[in-house]
Amino acid sequence: DTEVTQTPKHLVMGMTNKKSLKCEQHMGHRAMYWYKQKAKKPPELMFVYSYEKLSINESVPSRFSPECPNSSLLNLHLHALQPEDSALYLCASSQAIPGQRAKNIQYFGAGTRLSVL
Amino acid sequence: SQQGEEDPQALSIQEGENATMNCSYKTSINNLQWYRQNSGRGLVHLILIRSNEREKHSGRLRVTLDTSKKSSSLLITASRAADTASYFCATDYHSGAGSYQLTFGKGTKLSVIP
Repeated sequence: DTEVTQTPKHLVMGMTNKKSLKCEQHMGHRAMYWYKQKAKKPPELMFVYSYEKLSINESVPSRFSPECPNSSLLNLHLHALQPEDSALYLCASSQAIPGQRAKNIQYFGAGTRLSVL
Repeated sequence: SQQGEEDPQALSIQEGENATMNCSYKTSINNLQWYRQNSGRGLVHLILIRSNEREKHSGRLRVTLDTSKKSSSLLITASRAADTASYFCATDYHSGAGSYQLTFGKGTKLSVIP
């Protein structure tokens, strides 16, 4: 099973709403990632979790709050978003074997298309 | 920034023709990867080439790497309509405890006309 599952596929929310994006993988990967992708642009890294600990936060506004409750799940909690946060949010996972860089093939979910009104 | 730059930004070819996409990057790398993204979907890994490799093949894909010029190319031979997608190169660097974050180039949008 090489699947990363993201839910929901689509989300429309107002600027005062609180919502969460969910990502799940059962490949035994211990590194999980959140990316944001605007139309016609490459994905941009937001957060990295290694062994359930946050290792990278790429200066993301606090209205985005990641959570990794266990090795298979990754959440992204959203609160008080702005219209410019509308984008495709991608989750990915990879093996996290220190020293084995060639193992860093990332497996992506299909994404959540978020629209903030 | 390690961000790669793909060239061309868009490419339109007839089915059966070959497609070549180029990527340049700025700093030294350990690996360079290529990913494909169908419209509005997740990315799919295509191929990884290590810094000590010069060429790698996988099916109809051929990747070259020139570390002296900090550039890579992806060749898709005998293209099919199903190859229509955006293609991104990505370089990686260590982000802690075995994880390696990817920095993607701007991408090439390939259209294969049946």
